[in-house]
Amino acid sequence: DVKVTQSSRYLVKRTGEKVFLECVQDMDHENMFWYRQDPGLGLRLIYFSYDVKMKEKGDIPEGYSVSREKKERFSLILESASTNQTSMYLCASSFPGLAGGPDLETQYFGPGTRLLVL
Amino acid sequence: SQQGEEDPQALSIQEGENATMNCSYKTSINNLQWYRQNSGRGLVHLILIRSNEREKHSGRLRVTLDTSKKSSSLLITASRAADTASYFCATDRGGGSEKLVFGKGTKLTVNP
Repeated sequence: DVKVTQSSRYLVKRTGEKVFLECVQDMDHENMFWYRQDPGLGLRLIYFSYDVKMKEKGDIPEGYSVSREKKERFSLILESASTNQTSMYLCASSFPGLAGGPDLETQYFGPGTRLLVL
Repeated sequence: SQQGEEDPQALSIQEGENATMNCSYKTSINNLQWYRQNSGRGLVHLILIRSNEREKHSGRLRVTLDTSKKSSSLLITASRAADTASYFCATDRGGGSEKLVFGKGTKLTVNP
């Protein structure tokens, strides 16, 4: 079974703190994703990584950065946490689809980190 | 940008009844997926249907896809209390993108 783990289930931080959210997958997936989920807004993509050291901005990258030094690990960094970054953060991973082809692979999600910024 | 939009936003039924959720999307897709999320947890993949497929089954789940109407439906038959969860559709962004766009979800409550 694919396993995606996230470093914390719950996290409380203060405004201005630097926050690291860690995600690890054990299935040798090339793709990894960070989403945030807010009531009424659904899941929104923050960043996507398709290989080690490779990344793409998602729909809402402002205020976030990411790091992927090893294939199995994808970190989300809040450089200076703000109250509007209070949210549920979800990490996911997937194999790439066939190059140029129509197959888009399933995404496997971690359990989520509920972050509260005070 | 939101691609898939689920309807209804919330659905409450009795155990044993069928539950139907719908998803509409705006642009051409290669695939559409359905995911389930139990309260406060991560999402779990349920089923993927490709653009050249019209219907797919998996256990008590039946998914249909109508590309002419840009819509999909998820039917859960003989629902159980354990089916209580939020259900999301997700579509690709076209152009070979690996990224998905999720709808806002349908919150299903199955009453025992």
